[in-house]
Amino acid sequence: DADVTQTPRNRITKTGKRIMLECSQTKGHDRMYWYRQDPGLGLRLIYYSFDVKDINKGEISDGYSVSRQAQAKFSLSLESAIPNQTALYFCATSDLQRGGQIFGPGTRLTVL
Amino acid sequence: SQKIEQNSEALNIQEGKTATLTCNYTNYSPAYLQWYRQDPGRGPVFLLLIRENEKEKRKERLKVTFDTTLKQSLFHITASQPADSATYLCAPWLTGSYQLTFGKGTKLSVIP
Repeated sequence: DADVTQTPRNRITKTGKRIMLECSQTKGHDRMYWYRQDPGLGLRLIYYSFDVKDINKGEISDGYSVSRQAQAKFSLSLESAIPNQTALYFCATSDLQRGGQIFGPGTRLTVL
Repeated sequence: SQKIEQNSEALNIQEGKTATLTCNYTNYSPAYLQWYRQDPGRGPVFLLLIRENEKEKRKERLKVTFDTTLKQSLFHITASQPADSATYLCAPWLTGSYQLTFGKGTKLSVIP
């Protein structure tokens, strides 16, 4: 099994719809992260969580919310999707604050 | 403002040569810096981490240097191969911060 899984892998939705992206990890790590990647802008941090009770906003959290359901699960929600949220979304995990992050395969989201 | 610059968006190199990628940062002092490889449509893969008190780190054909005076990290791939073709991302970890900040990446193409 992959260390980090993301579902769905691809999603097309319409403006105004609520959508949830899910992430699971099998590494037993405490730290989990959500990023989005846009051409020319690189990877940008949306939210991060250091344990189940600790959730923090990243660089671009507006329009997003997260839920850490368990150590292994971290979900990202778009309450009302808009076209400029079309991007590639990655979940990641790490075991130490300064350790290398392990990324999932990504979710390609298109908002029409 | 804080800034990360990777020397160029694209770098072409002949197979067998050494590829050198540059990461420059301004207006902050990272405690350490990470390098990642990303293939098209896939999540980044962690390669190396170098701390501020380390000058150089090696892993097989990879070498990373960290010059805190120049505010620069160099990433070298020796005896480059077509399979090394990918986008390489640098990611400094800011002292006092709790998150990585990623550069936009350099796309390396190794020509047979």
